[in-house]
Amino acid sequence: GAGVSQSPSNKVTEKGKDVELRCDPISGHTALYWYRQSLGQGLEFLIYFQGNSAPDKSGLPSDRFSAERTGGSVSTLTIQRTQQEDSAVYLCASSLVGAGPGSPLHFGNGTRLTVT
Amino acid sequence: SQKIEQNSEALNIQEGKTATLTCNYTNYSPAYLQWYRQDPGRGPVFLLLIRENEKEKRKERLKVTFDTTLKQSLFHITASQPADSATYLCALEGFQKLVFGTGTRLLVSP
Repeated sequence: GAGVSQSPSNKVTEKGKDVELRCDPISGHTALYWYRQSLGQGLEFLIYFQGNSAPDKSGLPSDRFSAERTGGSVSTLTIQRTQQEDSAVYLCASSLVGAGPGSPLHFGNGTRLTVT
Repeated sequence: SQKIEQNSEALNIQEGKTATLTCNYTNYSPAYLQWYRQDPGRGPVFLLLIRENEKEKRKERLKVTFDTTLKQSLFHITASQPADSATYLCALEGFQKLVFGTGTRLLVSP
C-alpha cells in the first residue's frame, strides 16, 4: 500500500540503550510529524518537519531525543540512553502540506517501545 | 494554560442511537478543528475537518459542529453501529502544528 510505514512495530530495549525508530511517509508528502502516545493518553507532539524549513522541535521532552529527515522523505527518531518513562507508542504522520490550511494527517501504526 | 479536553470516561450507547462526543478547548484560536478515529493498535484515521467559519459539517452518518464562542466542537454519529466502537480524537491547529485531545472511547452495544 501507499500509507505511512513505521518500523519496527515493536521494540523492547534495556534501560540506558539507544534506539532508532524509522518512518517512511507517503510519497510526495512534504510535512512529517512525530507524536508519542502513552497508555490511555492522548497524542503528545514531539517534532514537525515541513519541506526544507528548520524543524519544530518544541515538543521533544529532553536532549536525549532527536530526529532527522533525510532527503525530504524518510525520518528517524533517535532516543539515547532510554529510560523507563520513554515506554510508549511512537506515531509518525505525514501530510501533503503543513498544518496551516488543515491538511489531514496520515498516520502509521506506530512503534511500541518498551524499556525494561 | 492551553488545554483540549475530551471526556475521559467511555461513552456507552445502544446500537441505533446517536452518539455525541464533546471537545472543549481553552487558550487556542484555531482556524480549524479535525476529528480522528483510532482503533486499538492502530494509528488515528482522519474523519472530518471543520473550519472556523463553518458551523456544521456532515459526512454520511457523521456530523461535526464548531462553536468558536463556546470554544467547543461536538461530534455526532447517528444510527450508531457496533463497528463505530473506537476512540475518537479531536485535534486543532496550535502554533503551526496539530494538537490532539486525549480522546473519548465510544462503545456501541448490539
